[in-house]
Amino acid sequence: SQQGEEDPQALSIQEGENATMNCSYKTSINNLQWYRQNSGRGLVHLILIRSNEREKHSGRLRVTLDTSKKSSSLLITASRAADTASYFCATDIGWGAQKLVFGQGTRLTINP
Amino acid sequence: DAGVIQSPRHEVTEMGQEVTLRCKPISGHDYLFWYRQTMMRGLELLIYFNNNVPIDDSGMPEDRFSAKMPNASFSTLKIQPSEPRDSAVYFCASSLSGEQFFGPGTRLTVL
Repeated sequence: SQQGEEDPQALSIQEGENATMNCSYKTSINNLQWYRQNSGRGLVHLILIRSNEREKHSGRLRVTLDTSKKSSSLLITASRAADTASYFCATDIGWGAQKLVFGQGTRLTINP
Repeated sequence: DAGVIQSPRHEVTEMGQEVTLRCKPISGHDYLFWYRQTMMRGLELLIYFNNNVPIDDSGMPEDRFSAKMPNASFSTLKIQPSEPRDSAVYFCASSLSGEQFFGPGTRLTVL
C-alpha cells in the first residue's frame, strides 16, 4: 500500500482562492517532500520539511507537518491558473537511503 | 546545468522487442532513480543507484527489466522482451541531498 496518501484526489477552485491538500503516511519519516507535476512533464520539487519541523513557507506555499498524526498539508495561497497541476507528497523513511515513496497525488484545477 | 536528460522522449515498439531507455543525471549528483508512472499504479520506484552501485531493485517488476549505471553520467533501463503492460511513462531522477530532480520522462507504448 502507499506510504503517502493525498486527500482529496481532485480539487477544483476559482483563481484567487486558497487550495489545501493533505497527505497521510504510515511509518516514521526522515522528511516529507511535496512535488508538482504539470501534464505530460516530470515532477518538480516544491518544498522539503524535516521531521523536526512543524511548518515551512516558500513564496505562496505553506507546508505543515504533524508527526503525531502522521500527516502533512500543503496550502497554496492566492491560486493562479498556472498552479493547475497534480501535487504529490513523498516520504523519505531515512537511514540515509534518500528513497522516496510517493502518494497517488491530488489533481488541482484552478478555474479562471 | 541542463537538468536530467532522458532519451528517447517517446518510444513505440511491438511486443517482444527490446527497449532501452537512457538517462543522464545532473553532474555531481550521486543518486539516480528510475520510476514508472501509470494511471492505475501511480508513480513506482523501480531501482536506484548510489555512486553507480544499485542499492535497491525491489521495485523492478520482473526479470525482463534490468538497469545499469556504467559511470556517473549515464544509466540505462532495459526491457527485454517488452509486453503491452509495460506501457507507461518512465522517469529518471537524480539527487544529491534529498531533493530529487526529474527528467522529462520517456513515454513507452508497447503494441
